[in-house]
Amino acid sequence: QVQLVESGGGVVQPGGSLRLSCAASGFTFSSYGMHWVRQAPGKGLEWVAFIWSDGTNKYYADSVKGRFTISRDNSKNTLYLQMNSLRPEDTAVYYCAKAEFSSGSYYFDYWGQGTLVTVSS
Amino acid sequence: DIQMTQSPSSLSASVGDRVTITCRASQSISSYLNWYQQKPGKAPKLLIYAASSLQSGVPSRFSGSGSGTDFTLTISSLQPEDFATYYCQQSYSTYSFGQGTKLEIK
Repeated sequence: QVQLVESGGGVVQPGGSLRLSCAASGFTFSSYGMHWVRQAPGKGLEWVAFIWSDGTNKYYADSVKGRFTISRDNSKNTLYLQMNSLRPEDTAVYYCAKAEFSSGSYYFDYWGQGTLVTVSS
Repeated sequence: DIQMTQSPSSLSASVGDRVTITCRASQSISSYLNWYQQKPGKAPKLLIYAASSLQSGVPSRFSGSGSGTDFTLTISSLQPEDFATYYCQQSYSTYSFGQGTKLEIK
């Protein structure tokens, strides 16, 4: 069965950096695009970034563009999110999610359990 | 950017009720609309994709409809496990979510 397990969250000071990881299993990781989605405490869902299956194309939300970098290592079945210049408003649970396309729509069909990032002095 | 607006923001209902949640897009998104369910402390779960296709394993009491700018999620007969927050999400132009609809027990 599909499993996505995030790690790397924690407490970091404003302006600091953090790298999140998402270990994937139960599917052919190298065949699927992957997303990061976040959720601030008590708030709704916000899409953060997407990477193609081969890593050649990447897309970002305006709120993180230039500060966050999505990447992947298909040999290790792992997705990453490098977060630099962190701000208090980046505080959230970060989920990785598997991309799928069917019936003419793109969607997130499997999600990890999330990892909490807290940006605070 | 495409804005997604859900209504209502919260809803109280009883077991066995028929419930409808509405999602409106700020521009036409064809059928690039998906619905998710989230319970407290858990990851979202895909219910409906492409406006009306039921994800494998999701009970048939869940259904979706609509195209263009107006969409609905209907639960035909509420079960105790359905009390949760529901989000719509568009994938026509990058990705954005509605603000969520919290479904509570009356």
